[in-house]
Amino acid sequence: DTEVTQTPKHLVMGMTNKKSLKCEQHMGHRAMYWYKQKAKKPPELMFVYSYEKLSINESVPSRFSPECPNSSLLNLHLHALQPEDSALYLCASSQDGGGLGEQYFGPGTRLTVT
Amino acid sequence: AQSVSQHNHHVILSEAASLELGCNYSYGGTVNLFWYVQYPGQHLQLLLKYFSGDPLVKGIKGFEAEFIKSKFSFNLRKPSVQWSDTAEYFCAVNEYNNNDMRFGAGTRLTVKP
Repeated sequence: DTEVTQTPKHLVMGMTNKKSLKCEQHMGHRAMYWYKQKAKKPPELMFVYSYEKLSINESVPSRFSPECPNSSLLNLHLHALQPEDSALYLCASSQDGGGLGEQYFGPGTRLTVT
Repeated sequence: AQSVSQHNHHVILSEAASLELGCNYSYGGTVNLFWYVQYPGQHLQLLLKYFSGDPLVKGIKGFEAEFIKSKFSFNLRKPSVQWSDTAEYFCAVNEYNNNDMRFGAGTRLTVKP
């Protein structure tokens, strides 16, 4: 099983809402990632969890809050988002927490903030 | 932090033409190199990767890439493209032993039947 799953596939939320994105992998990978991808742009790294600890936070606004409950799950909690936060949010995982393996990507959650 | 440059924004080819997409990176240390492909409406998939060893790496679907350390380049090639190769292609780099992967801006490939 080389699949990374993400839910929901689509999400529309208002600027005052609180919502969460979920990501799951069962490949035994020890690193998990959140990326943001705007239309016709490359993915931009947001957060990295390595061995369930936050190892990289790319100066992401506090309205985005990651959580790694266990080695298979990764959440991204959203609160008070802005319309410019509308994008495709990608989750990825890799076997090694030290950057030595390729990343496997999920299909993404397309987020629209109204 | 390293940066990644992809020289071609949009490439249009006819079927059976040869393809070469350029990728250069800025980091001077040891790096891991990747090419990912994103077909329309689908998620990112790994085409090929280079960690060490033979600088000519072969990937899926007939793609290959050559790592030239002196030129900080990792160009993607395919001898004969097909219509189904129409997609967005991303070069990506991370420093050895570092999870911080950086993507190039991407090259959109359109193959005309």
